[in-house]
Amino acid sequence: AQSVTQLGSHVSVSEGALVLLRCNYSSSVPPYLFWYVQYPNQGLQLLLKYTSAATLVKGINGFEAEFKKSETSFHLTKPSAHMSDAAEYFCAVTRANQAGTALIFGKGTTLSVSS
Amino acid sequence: DGGITQSPKYLFRKEGQNVTLSCEQNLNHDAMYWYRQDPGQGLRLIYYSQIVNDFQKGDIAEGYSVSREKKESFPLTVTSAQKNPTAFYLCASTKAGAHEQYFGPGTRLTVT
Repeated sequence: AQSVTQLGSHVSVSEGALVLLRCNYSSSVPPYLFWYVQYPNQGLQLLLKYTSAATLVKGINGFEAEFKKSETSFHLTKPSAHMSDAAEYFCAVTRANQAGTALIFGKGTTLSVSS
Repeated sequence: DGGITQSPKYLFRKEGQNVTLSCEQNLNHDAMYWYRQDPGQGLRLIYYSQIVNDFQKGDIAEGYSVSREKKESFPLTVTSAQKNPTAFYLCASTKAGAHEQYFGPGTRLTVT
């Protein structure tokens, strides 16, 4: 069965520092993987997606993620944090290969950025 | 602009009352979903629908009901049988052939 584990419910960085948010997945089929960002009291916004093309995926706002099959990981990184990056981040995996299938979400990681 | 609309943003109800949350999309997406979000729990799937007049239960469907009479609309009813209905509810949709979901702004339901 598919599952997602986000390591660390809270991550704190200084402005300008590297951001690293960890996501490990379990999937019985080749996965489609996603990172979403959520600001307080808002819906989720798609940051980036892995759909079996390039293993290094670039997203919006300077974020990127690398799919590592051997490690079953899809960690999210950004070279230099900005105050506006403070939000909650969710990693998600498709339940099956079929298009339109629902997603399984991790429990989220709250990113705090200090000046 | 295309998007997903959820209304209202905040909803208050008394215990024992049924309440319906609205979700409308003008993206021409085929599949629609309802998730519930609680602090520290991530998103949990309530119901989803891949085509009109058809829907399936998700992981936590008990105490909820849905309908899909139109492609654009996927309302969620929180019934009095739902033991702990206070939560943030998110609606999402996916276009045909795709996997990524697009989310509405959410409805925060408080039941007292």
